[in-house]
Amino acid sequence: DQQVKQNSPSLSVQEGRISILNCDYTNSMFDYFLWYKKYPAEGPTFLISISSIKDKNEDGRFTVFLNKSAKHLSLHIVPSQPGDSAVYFCAASSNSGGSNYKLTFGKGTLLTVNP
Amino acid sequence: SQTIHQWPATLVQPVGSPLSLECTVEGTSNPNLYWYRQAAGRGLQLLFYSVGIGQISSEVPQNLSASRPQDRQFILSSKKLLLSDSGFYLCAWSIDRNQPQHFGDGTRLSIL
Repeated sequence: DQQVKQNSPSLSVQEGRISILNCDYTNSMFDYFLWYKKYPAEGPTFLISISSIKDKNEDGRFTVFLNKSAKHLSLHIVPSQPGDSAVYFCAASSNSGGSNYKLTFGKGTLLTVNP
Repeated sequence: SQTIHQWPATLVQPVGSPLSLECTVEGTSNPNLYWYRQAAGRGLQLLFYSVGIGQISSEVPQNLSASRPQDRQFILSSKKLLLSDSGFYLCAWSIDRNQPQHFGDGTRLSIL
């Protein structure tokens, strides 16, 4: 059972435009969400996170939106740059029980930003 | 600043051979440490985590084991590798739970 889903395996956008990466989750106990970026042959790099008590968090060109009722979050990158081309992973964790050390990851979305 | 080192970057091993992957963290004390695996076409799956020296929690039953002999050292081992152990293994650390986990560059393990 996949609890974190990234339904778009790939996304292509033009440089300077907005990139919107989507993520859905099924576990209503998730209360902390993260986005990671991964280049080939490297480990994932942390980008931005959001707690379930908020619905938006912004860091420079990156903004994460959380819609708890829809169990949906998205990452907006504005403006997109060619160096943003990478695989983006959505991840979630729950503070309940003993599971709050575990991040559950989606399968990733390959973003390509074309010059 | 904190850094995480993981080696080797790639490893080719025959079925039935032992395995030892090492991960070390610098620039922080008493981190939480994690081992993840990414199998082909799948997301990252947590294998083990540790909140202190000698404390290991396993998330999934498997052919692997983990140890934490020192505060900032985390080792992933197997006595006899299976074909299904192939994958991309990542070590990570965090300051605390519900804090971002920071990853090493991973080990690509191929079993022949």
